[in-house]
Amino acid sequence: AAGVIQSPRHLIKEKRETATLKCYPIPRHDTVYWYQQGPGQDPQFLISFYEKMQSDKGSIPDRFSAQQFSDYHSELNMSSLELGDSALYFCASSLVRGSPRNQETQYFGPGTRLLVL
Amino acid sequence: AQKVTQAQTEISVVEKEDVTLDCVYETRDTTYYLFWYKQPPSGELVFLIRRNSFDEQNEISGRYSWNFQKSTSSFNFTITASQVVDSAVYFCALKTVSSGSARQLTFGSGTQLTVLP
Repeated sequence: AAGVIQSPRHLIKEKRETATLKCYPIPRHDTVYWYQQGPGQDPQFLISFYEKMQSDKGSIPDRFSAQQFSDYHSELNMSSLELGDSALYFCASSLVRGSPRNQETQYFGPGTRLLVL
Repeated sequence: AQKVTQAQTEISVVEKEDVTLDCVYETRDTTYYLFWYKQPPSGELVFLIRRNSFDEQNEISGRYSWNFQKSTSSFNFTITASQVVDSAVYFCALKTVSSGSARQLTFGSGTQLTVLP
């Protein structure tokens, strides 16, 4: 079965540079979530999109922005990178439409490992 | 606000032993969902199981079993006859359903399971 695709898998940037991470959800999934996992930490929710509209916002820095496109893929744009942004960035997708009582399951991509030097 | 606690930071067992990973959650919502995800050394997050708060029936699936106890707010996960390939970080996660609440997952801090040959 098709899974969530993330690109690139690894990214090295310098401080103050910008980065763009891409996420392609499971086909027919309508919701995308972004999470950030620092070294030795649990994943922290950043932002989500349902049907191309931002649905929820977590602890996403103002330097970051994201959007979901008409083909449902999503991009996380990160500017003025800082050393503390080094982390594993996960995208997850789910099918919310028709899911009773909010019980849909989020399936995660393999992650993008970002290293800021 | 919701919270997930995984008190066991690290567990080591010898192959073929049974091992139980503990998870305690906090939420004021009456309807919620609990998940277990596995993160092997390669880094991806793999969905294992979802339980609904309105369904307390415990399950066994192959070598995995789950014990959901609403009275103690616990959702423990057991691996029977552990194998070296089970070595990973296991995350317990919670999602609530209250009106206006976001669909993001709240993760515990994870338990590092090491299965020794």
